[in-house]
Amino acid sequence: NAGVTQTPKFRILKIGQSMTLQCAQDMNHNYMYWYRQDPGMGLKLIYYSVGAGITDKGEVPNGYNVSRSTTEDFPLRLELAAPSQTSVYFCASEGQRSSGANVLTFGAGSRLTVL
Amino acid sequence: AQKVTQAQTEISVVEKEDVTLDCVYETRDTTYYLFWYKQPPSGELVFLIRRNSFDEQNEISGRYSWNFQKSTSSFNFTITASQVVDSAVYFCALSEPLMSSNTGKLIFGQGTTLQVKP
Repeated sequence: NAGVTQTPKFRILKIGQSMTLQCAQDMNHNYMYWYRQDPGMGLKLIYYSVGAGITDKGEVPNGYNVSRSTTEDFPLRLELAAPSQTSVYFCASEGQRSSGANVLTFGAGSRLTVL
Repeated sequence: AQKVTQAQTEISVVEKEDVTLDCVYETRDTTYYLFWYKQPPSGELVFLIRRNSFDEQNEISGRYSWNFQKSTSSFNFTITASQVVDSAVYFCALSEPLMSSNTGKLIFGQGTTLQVKP
């Protein structure tokens, strides 16, 4: 029972490069999220999805894109990486609405550095 | 607009001391959830508690207790007899209103770093 799995754990990018952060969950959760955590700033929502084929912007979506072709996977793509995207990225999914509404299970995080 | 404020950036205590982490929130909604998450040095986020806005009873779980006061929009977290393993960053969070359009998005506070020294 893996929960939420994120890859890679660490990555260094050069300015202007692109990459995809992978996120997969095996709990059959419909709702999934991408947050970024900057030092001393808490977590900010980038994008979220309420089900396969449905995505929407969060608070800080600029410079990112997502897709949700399956219930399990919710990749986050960075186009034209910038130093401002240096952060720790967390993927999360929400528990079943019957008992776990709004309770998020987080992945271990992906630390991205853009130089 | 919704907002969560954790005014204490860092707290340092000696083991066995009691410590309270403050959380103040702003919302115009009447139904919502409040949360606390723990982020130990290993970096993962661990769910601690979810509290419904209708339920203002205090909750105790072992050495942890939570005081929810809707009148002051506060949801404070107390650790009794702190231990070194309690050292972590603690986040308070607020949900959207509890209606059919709720998407599960959370608004997080800035976090409080707790250091428990032996």
